[in-house]
Amino acid sequence: AQSVTQPDIHITVSEGASLELRCNYSYGATPYLFWYVQSPGQGLQLLLKYFSGDTLVQGIKGFEAEFKRSQSSFNLRKPSVHWSDAAEYFCAVGPSGLVFGQGTRLTINP
Amino acid sequence: EAGVAQSPRYKIIEKRQSVAFWCNPISGHATLYWYQQILGQGPKLLIQFQNNGVVDDSQLPKDRFSAERLKGVDSTLKIQPAKLEDSAVYLCASTGGGHTGELFFGEGSRLTVL
Repeated sequence: AQSVTQPDIHITVSEGASLELRCNYSYGATPYLFWYVQSPGQGLQLLLKYFSGDTLVQGIKGFEAEFKRSQSSFNLRKPSVHWSDAAEYFCAVGPSGLVFGQGTRLTINP
Repeated sequence: EAGVAQSPRYKIIEKRQSVAFWCNPISGHATLYWYQQILGQGPKLLIQFQNNGVVDDSQLPKDRFSAERLKGVDSTLKIQPAKLEDSAVYLCASTGGGHTGELFFGEGSRLTVL
């Protein structure tokens, strides 16, 4: 059965610092992988997705993620965070009926 | 392009009462999903529709939850009778053709069961 693990429940970084959110997945075939962001009281917004090709994918708001098959990982990165990036981030695996991780809450220190 | 619409946004009921949530997906999207998101957790798939047929309802608690999509467009999720542990945000999502798997989510319906 497919599953997603996000080891960090809560991360705090300073504004302008770099960010990496971890995601490990379990899936029997080539996975479709997604990162979604959820701001308080809002629905989920897609940041980026991977399903084939280049293992480094670029997304919106300056985010990127790298698919590493050997490590079953799809970590999300951003070189310099902004206060507006404070939100909950979810990794998900597909391709259909996505399975989500438990999320990582990101707090930004001014 | 209009997004996924859900109503009501908020609902408070007492346990053993019933509640219904409505979802209107993005126009033309054949696949519709209902997810349950309990506070502090990731969304959990309850049911997936393809047009008006059920593709996967393996995680739907069928003794109290039901869902329908009669004309292959709008969908309704019902809980009867509600339990305290049903307090959650119920998210509707839809996806169109192609195989990229991207889901488009509504803002959700927050249910509080007292």
